[in-house]
Amino acid sequence: DAKTTQPPSMDCAEGRAANLPCNHSTISGNEYVYWYRQIHSQGPQYIIHGLKNNETNEMASLIITEDRKSSTLILPHATLRDTAVYYCIEQGAQKLVFGQGTRLTINP
Amino acid sequence: NAGVMQNPRHLVRRRGQEARLRCSPMKGHSHVYWYRQLPEEGLKFMVYLQKENIIDESGMPKERFSAEFPKEGPSILRIQQVVRGDSAAYFCASSRSIGQFEETQYFGPGTRLLVL
Repeated sequence: DAKTTQPPSMDCAEGRAANLPCNHSTISGNEYVYWYRQIHSQGPQYIIHGLKNNETNEMASLIITEDRKSSTLILPHATLRDTAVYYCIEQGAQKLVFGQGTRLTINP
Repeated sequence: NAGVMQNPRHLVRRRGQEARLRCSPMKGHSHVYWYRQLPEEGLKFMVYLQKENIIDESGMPKERFSAEFPKEGPSILRIQQVVRGDSAAYFCASSRSIGQFEETQYFGPGTRLLVL
């Protein structure tokens, strides 16, 4: 079973920042937080990952709380193409355990 | 760089036939993972392989399913005597090395299997 908790759905207006929360209260010290998304029925797409420091890349930013029990994925300027299911995963072993994720809908 | 490649993208089989799904990892990647996504459900891990070795098959159904990753060529997920419940999207992912905690998996486009 997935060890992370995410809201089942969220809406965001096009052009605004989308902030997707994730709780991972049981994460251990050497486990990373990974974010993937799945657009429609395509293969999951890697977005970003982090251990304890905040991270930023060309797709998104990842803010991890100091106690590492939760994190927030930020899409700074959401577009319609960002509509997808977003998965937050604790990377503790080779296999990824996907939960139900957050279905993010970007509205025009 | 080419990403993870899977073929066929769509596969239709009749009950009782065999299905063979192929996955070519990204260049430089020696680890392959297979996941299955049943209709309207989340992705579930099936098996993790390195070249010529099965490392973790804890998610594989006990019967009819097998996987291999030979020294040369793609990884193969084989389903014998398919049943309607095998209809799903099968995704392959690859990663670079055995680094346990920070090893990004990159996914292919998937194979959609439909069993009639």
